[in-house]
Amino acid sequence: EPEVTQTPSHQVTQMGQEVILRCVPISNHLYFYWYRQILGQKVEFLVSFYNNEISEKSEIFDDQFSVERPDGSNFTLKIRSTKLEDSAMYFCASTAEIIQGGQYFGPGTRLLVL
Amino acid sequence: DQQVKQNSPSLSVQEGRISILNCDYTNSMFDYFLWYKKYPAEGPTFLISISSIKDKNEDGRFTVFLNKSAKHLSLHIVPSQPGDSAVYFCAASKGAGSYQLTFGKGTKLSVIP
Repeated sequence: EPEVTQTPSHQVTQMGQEVILRCVPISNHLYFYWYRQILGQKVEFLVSFYNNEISEKSEIFDDQFSVERPDGSNFTLKIRSTKLEDSAMYFCASTAEIIQGGQYFGPGTRLLVL
Repeated sequence: DQQVKQNSPSLSVQEGRISILNCDYTNSMFDYFLWYKKYPAEGPTFLISISSIKDKNEDGRFTVFLNKSAKHLSLHIVPSQPGDSAVYFCAASKGAGSYQLTFGKGTKLSVIP
């Protein structure tokens, strides 16, 4: 069964460093998303991406964040200058449908900022 | 800002019995609702969804009920199995071009053999 994959599974970085989280969505999917879950809190929407541009973003997704689909398969989230409060589990998701439907999530990248 | 609320952090049920997980929402713009299951160290797995034009959707052992006037939905699992033990998240979206999901905090279901 096709699945969303994410790399790395864990990343430890120093505050102020740049990190890039990578995702490979399901191959025929058109919509891509990033969510995050800070430990003990709810899963929060960051950004959605369709047709090579951002379609929605939340207040969390400030100028420190960017997304890119550099080729036909990868979808990346970049945090330019990490802060301690960026420590969280980051989930990528994708969906084929252009109407509402279940988004398929990857296993997540656990980011720890020291 | 708790637009989607799951007021029970945990629930224990005997194997074979019914599990009922509840979810309330406050934003009347939500028109599509989903349930996800999550095991530790994995991403959320989509289970079942319902549009606001329906009041029930069934898929095997899983049934979701929507009471739009009460802004309440529930997930019924029957019969419950030990493999159903996980955290269950309720999520909602607004439609009209917005497909971001707003999640509840989750309910940890334990099915006791």
